[in-house]
Amino acid sequence: EVQLAESGGGLVQPGGSLRLSCAASGFTFRNYWMQWVRQVPGKGPVWVSRINFDGSSTSYADSVKGRFTISRDNAENTLYLQMNSLRAEDTAVYYCARETSGSYWGLDYWGRGTLVTVSS
Amino acid sequence: DIQMTQSPSSLSASVGDRVTITCRASQSISSYLNWYQQKPGKAPKFLIYAASSLHSGVPSRFSGSGSGTDFTLTISSLQPEDFATYYCQQSYSTGTFGQGTKVESK
Repeated sequence: EVQLAESGGGLVQPGGSLRLSCAASGFTFRNYWMQWVRQVPGKGPVWVSRINFDGSSTSYADSVKGRFTISRDNAENTLYLQMNSLRAEDTAVYYCARETSGSYWGLDYWGRGTLVTVSS
Repeated sequence: DIQMTQSPSSLSASVGDRVTITCRASQSISSYLNWYQQKPGKAPKFLIYAASSLHSGVPSRFSGSGSGTDFTLTISSLQPEDFATYYCQQSYSTGTFGQGTKVESK
């Protein structure tokens, strides 16, 4: 069974940093692109970042570019999101998600999410 | 950036009704369009990719159509478990989501 489990969320002050982790199991992690998506409760999901199979290609939403870094450890089956210079508007539930194979990709498995709250 | 606009933002329907939700892209995205269903407190659930292809295990009452900038999600006969919020997402460039359409019980 495919499982994704996020961790690392919590309360952080503006300007602070957090590192989110996503532990993957039940599939061959190194064969899939992965993504981070965030969602403010009551609002729609917002795409954050994407990483290819081996971490050599990454992309980011403009709102987080230069502050967030996506990475992965295929030996540990873990996806990461390093978040620096956090702002109040980064407050959200952060989900990791697996991308389907092929050019018409979608997000077929999601974790339960981890809540990040940026507040003084 | 590509913007995705859904309409309506909410609708009321009864079990058995045919429901249609529209999603419009700010520029052509060919058929790079996904649909998701989300229930409160849960992660989104993948329904449709490539505008009209049903993801594995999704009931056939769900269907998608469109290409270019205009897309629709149709539920042919609404079931009790279908009351939820639905989101479109473009996969042409990064992954912008629409703002959602909440399907409520009439």
